[in-house]
Amino acid sequence: EVQLVQSGAEVKQPGESLKISCQVSGHSFGDYWIGWVRQMPGKGLEWMGIIHFRDSDTRNSPSFQGQVTISADKSITTAYLHWRSLKASDSAIYYCTCAVDGTTWFDPWGRGTLVTVSS
Amino acid sequence: QSALTQSASVSGSPGQSITISCTGTSSDVGGFNYVSWYQQHPGKAPKLIIYDVTKRPSGVSNRFSGSKSGYTASLTISGLQAEDEADYYCNSYMTSSPNYVFGTGTKVTVL
Repeated sequence: EVQLVQSGAEVKQPGESLKISCQVSGHSFGDYWIGWVRQMPGKGLEWMGIIHFRDSDTRNSPSFQGQVTISADKSITTAYLHWRSLKASDSAIYYCTCAVDGTTWFDPWGRGTLVTVSS
Repeated sequence: QSALTQSASVSGSPGQSITISCTGTSSDVGGFNYVSWYQQHPGKAPKLIIYDVTKRPSGVSNRFSGSKSGYTASLTISGLQAEDEADYYCNSYMTSSPNYVFGTGTKVTVL
């Protein structure tokens, strides 16, 4: 069974950096895409980008380009979302999810990481 | 790339059927048969309930069904139950990065 385990909730101040993680277990090595999805309080789901584990091919949403970096370490089957300088507007729940190569649906999903940015 | 358009809310009584629509363009919904639907209960992660427009993952109730016509995909919930009260999001493959786009979301209320 495939499982996605996300890192715990974070409370940060504006201007601080942050890296959250999503560890994948139960999948064939490298044959899948990991997607990151933002959900702001009371709002809908937004794609931030997807990354392929085998070759780190990354497809970023123009809305998030330059604001956040998506990366992956295939040796530990873990994907990351990294901010260099957080803003209050980055406060949200961030979900990771997974799509097998050659498919276009995402299942399962991680439980989400709540990021709160406040001074 | 703008989000796909969904009605904000839909309601129905237990046992009734409701349909949620998801409208896109030729670059997403209209161009591919790669629409999926996700159910999200409050405080929970989204859950896949339909993929490739009409297919149901193992374990998902057959009360959920999907279809598509032109630029609009639809999710129908038949025999509405209290547990179906949730937010529903469509998602479509598209050619431009990041290759996927969600709908705006529909809140389903069971009266």
